[in-house]
Amino acid sequence: DIVMTQSPDSLAVSLGERATINCKSSQSVLCNSNNQNCLAWYQQKPGQPPKLLVYLASSRGSGVPDRFSGSGSGTDFTLTIGSLQAEDVAVYYCQQYYSTPHTFGGGTEVGIK
Amino acid sequence: QVQLQQSGPGLVKPSQTLSLTCAISGDSVSSNNAAWNWIRQSPSRGLEWLGRTYYRSKWYNDYAVSVRSRITINPDTSKNQFSLQLNSVTPEDTAVYYCARDQGALNVWGQGTTVTVSS
Repeated sequence: DIVMTQSPDSLAVSLGERATINCKSSQSVLCNSNNQNCLAWYQQKPGQPPKLLVYLASSRGSGVPDRFSGSGSGTDFTLTIGSLQAEDVAVYYCQQYYSTPHTFGGGTEVGIK
Repeated sequence: QVQLQQSGPGLVKPSQTLSLTCAISGDSVSSNNAAWNWIRQSPSRGLEWLGRTYYRSKWYNDYAVSVRSRITINPDTSKNQFSLQLNSVTPEDTAVYYCARDQGALNVWGQGTTVTVSS
């Protein structure tokens, strides 16, 4: 199985400041000849299912604000929240869908400083 | 707009079978560009992908090794839904269970069902 490791476990950022979350996979998740990576990011708020933010490592999901951006390739990936808003308080997860089982990272809790 | 509506009991006795259903609206379980997944979440195990079913000229299933001997995911084309059966449950199977559509990433999720395994 591909192991997904996120860091940090939690972070607190001032409103309007940048938040950066890292995700490392135990093997490459490069999934096609177009240099795209089978890596997704999700946001989960209490009592809700996860919501897709980013797919193919850097493509934003439907309706996702442009302050959310994904980057990285191979085994190292980053989710950046460009200007943290109060509604962004949540837990964020990365997931690889390169091979089954489609494994998730342990999550990063983002709060307000 | 695609929606997934989960149903099933919230309490299951140890050694019995956990059964959940996910009804699809706005898409088809037989779609050639989607797969239909079950995921669970617990404090001890985090988000755990359990398996999926999908149609590509015939039906396929993928299952997580951790539950492969106990799990069945079945499509029901007549009702446009899919189901999860997990046999011989123990308290370790207590979790919130989600169904979800994947077109690569998981882009539509059900509302979640809290399942407790207890006598």
